[in-house]
Amino acid sequence: QVQLQESGPGLVKPSQTLSLTCTVSGGSISSGSYYWSWVRQPAGKGLEWIGRIYTSGDTNYNPSLKSRVTMSVDTSKDQFSLNLSSVTAADTAVYYCARVIRGTHYASGSYDFYYYYMDVWGRGTTVTVSS
Amino acid sequence: SSELTQDPAVSVALGQTVRITCQGDRLRSFYANWYQQKPGQAPVLVIYAKNNRPSGIPDRFSGSNSGNTASLTITGAQAEDEADYYCNCRDSSDNHLEVFGGGTRLTVL
Repeated sequence: QVQLQESGPGLVKPSQTLSLTCTVSGGSISSGSYYWSWVRQPAGKGLEWIGRIYTSGDTNYNPSLKSRVTMSVDTSKDQFSLNLSSVTAADTAVYYCARVIRGTHYASGSYDFYYYYMDVWGRGTTVTVSS
Repeated sequence: SSELTQDPAVSVALGQTVRITCQGDRLRSFYANWYQQKPGQAPVLVIYAKNNRPSGIPDRFSGSNSGNTASLTITGAQAEDEADYYCNCRDSSDNHLEVFGGGTRLTVL
């Protein structure tokens, strides 16, 4: 059974770069046609989608974070990573990594649209931005 | 503000049926997913692609969609269903981005 584990510094100074890694265990990050996502949640608030990466390196980022976000994948280590630059206190949150499945909806036998859902989540890691 | 709108809080008596809704124009085009989150825990997928349950999710959870509204229905709510519930779907046909609703806190009385 696949498990995900986030790791990285729990405290980051303002203006610096937040760097987190998600390690995939119980299966290879390259097996199956999975995508890999990051989601965050400030204390007492809702979930915010940060972005998604495929093992090919293709990415999709939340437009509100796009200028500061970089995701990467290391298939040799079964890991994927998140870098968020120029952090402020507003980036303080629990950060989750998740496995993503992409499905295809067909209409009249032809491709209509792709859909995504996150079926396996890490436990989350708290990152505080403070000097 | 979230572009998927959920009621902040809903309550249900033990054993009764409750519907949690999620509204947004993108739901006319794309499937909704639903995630359950209990305090201090990671979210758990309970419904995907409108009305599919992952393995291990009780069949009292079901999903549906009508127009711009997706619904999560719990038939015979249990005490352990008390949690926050988030809907989620694709942003638009022009991109492959995703959005979450603001979440609904379900209280089982």
